[in-house]
Amino acid sequence: GDKVKQSPSALSLQEGTNSALRCNFSIAATTVQWFLQNPRGSLINLFYLVPGTKENGRLKSAFDSKESYSTLHIRDAQLEDSGTYFCAAESNNRIFFGDGTQLVVKP
Amino acid sequence: GPKVLQIPSHQIIDMGQMVTLNCDPVSNHLYFYWYKQILGQQMEFLVNFYNGKVMEKSKLFKDQFSVERPDGSYFTLKIQPTALEDSAVYFCASSLQGWAGNTLYFGEGSRLIVV
Repeated sequence: GDKVKQSPSALSLQEGTNSALRCNFSIAATTVQWFLQNPRGSLINLFYLVPGTKENGRLKSAFDSKESYSTLHIRDAQLEDSGTYFCAAESNNRIFFGDGTQLVVKP
Repeated sequence: GPKVLQIPSHQIIDMGQMVTLNCDPVSNHLYFYWYKQILGQQMEFLVNFYNGKVMEKSKLFKDQFSVERPDGSYFTLKIQPTALEDSAVYFCASSLQGWAGNTLYFGEGSRLIVV
């Protein structure tokens, strides 16, 4: 979407390497969510963030509301990390989605 | 771009009553989803639906919940009877295909308040 810009749009990683996905907001975001789209198309929650950082296993996410961006770091990428990652920003009781990053992890 | 419409945008209902939330998905889409977001919490998956059937549902999709899309009309989420904890914003989404990489298009949500 034009209010939430996700980058890169596509990414190919070697297994075991690290990378970061990013969302830039042109709205005043109060919370950010990161999702991974499962094979059936449904979105699985990864993180729900107020400004700050969270970590879960090999994933770490940060949300800076002043600079209007959020990042999702993947450490030691595994084959099962492949999929489409979406960020969504909440602003004025509405949710705005990015267009997603298609991640492929190769052996 | 493609639009998903949700009706009503908000509704207040007495506990125990039935409510139907309506979703008009993108016209050529085949997969439909409902998500629930309680105020101040993350958005949670409820259910997805294809070809007249529920494909998968989460533990939040209680027995009081049902979904259908009769004759290609609205995709509906019915709650009967409603409980106080059903107060939330319910988001409908649709996609052309039902696998990862296919963009989900979301509606603007139906805010349900159960009193």
